[in-house]
Amino acid sequence: DTGVSQDPRHKITKRGQNVTFRCDPISEHNRLYWYRQTLGQGPEFLTYFQNEAQLEKSRLLSDRFSAERPKGSFSTLEIQRTEQGDSAMYLCASSLTVREPQHFGDGTRLSIL
Amino acid sequence: SQQGEEDPQALSIQEGENATMNCSYKTSINNLQWYRQNSGRGLVHLILIRSNEREKHSGRLRVTLDTSKKSSSLLITASRAADTASYFCATDAGRSQGNLIFGKGTKLSVKP
Repeated sequence: DTGVSQDPRHKITKRGQNVTFRCDPISEHNRLYWYRQTLGQGPEFLTYFQNEAQLEKSRLLSDRFSAERPKGSFSTLEIQRTEQGDSAMYLCASSLTVREPQHFGDGTRLSIL
Repeated sequence: SQQGEEDPQALSIQEGENATMNCSYKTSINNLQWYRQNSGRGLVHLILIRSNEREKHSGRLRVTLDTSKKSSSLLITASRAADTASYFCATDAGRSQGNLIFGKGTKLSVKP
């Protein structure tokens, strides 16, 4: 399967801990996006990369959040000092160009105890 | 903030019936996309319609776009139980960066 893959699928952690998620996009896609989805809502944009450059960050992305895409391949999203409000599904998507559809992974579901 | 508003929020139909979902948005767009999401899974892209297009078909799916009314509709014909999912519209809000703005979705239930 050459789709977008995310790891882990589920993460349960205590408030205050740091967590890191990984996304492997479709190999030829140079654009990579992170979204967050809470129950009953549509996904909300967090940040995106073109190759290794992080080009835009949403206001939702507080200082506790950091994303990287070294070498323009896989990407990581780290949340430091997690809070209850961080509980959500974190979705990664990739696309070939800005005009092409985005292909989503199955997400990482984060639960904060 | 949410750009699109899907209507209805929930829809329950019998297998074989048609399902129509509507989406309204607020700003100008370059394109509008429809996605499907099964429970606990990621989003699956269904159709992309560009702002200069009025209608697009893909199998049992038909999407219309009315930019003057800032609205779109998704029609699923001859629905199947496997079509049970949440359906989202998403727009680029006229920006070139490509990040999508989603509505809250329509939850479709198709009963066998």
